[in-house]
Amino acid sequence: DGGITQSPKYLFRKEGQNVTLSCEQNLNHDAMYWYRQDPGQGLRLIYYSQIVNDFQKGDIAEGYSVSREKKESFPLTVTSAQKNPTAFYLCASSTQAGPYEQYFGPGTRLTVT
Amino acid sequence: QQQVKQSPQSLIVQKGGISIINCAYENTAFDYFPWYQQFPGKGPALLIAIRPDVSEKKEGRFTISFNKSAKQFSLHIMDSQPGDSATYFCAASLALYNFNKFYFGSGTKLNVKP
Repeated sequence: DGGITQSPKYLFRKEGQNVTLSCEQNLNHDAMYWYRQDPGQGLRLIYYSQIVNDFQKGDIAEGYSVSREKKESFPLTVTSAQKNPTAFYLCASSTQAGPYEQYFGPGTRLTVT
Repeated sequence: QQQVKQSPQSLIVQKGGISIINCAYENTAFDYFPWYQQFPGKGPALLIAIRPDVSEKKEGRFTISFNKSAKQFSLHIMDSQPGDSATYFCAASLALYNFNKFYFGSGTKLNVKP
């Protein structure tokens, strides 16, 4: 089955710790994205990557970092510099050519206490 | 500044009724308008999408109406069912150097009562 997998589904961390969220896709998509979802605020773009070894900051990149060493993988690290990290994190991928459909993974709910 | 504005924030519809969710945008460079359906604890799933050269697109009970001059588009769910109860997001996509950036509305929580 083609799709996007995210792990773990739930993640709990103490304040001050870095944590890495996994995202893998087997759709052969070049573009990958990370979004943060908070209640009533829709989806906000954290980082995106068009090709391997290249990525760009989105609208709320502060306190986050990413890497793109393989086409299939786009892990997100939530660092201790992120002031309010508790949220639902969604990974997505899309085609580079039309119809530009974007597909989402099942998400990771991160709770930092 | 929010690029895509969505309303209402929540919606209650009786089974068999029509659910209507509206979105408005400002940037005329947007060239792709998808709608996503999200169930609690799950990722959004692409439901239906439209391009600005088409005024309406229908897939089963779901229809997108697009008004380019008004910069508005809406999702209509005909014969709404309790299984349609979910959060719906509209989005708009902008082509940037062979890459598409997506802007999302704030979501509408739909509750279809049996």
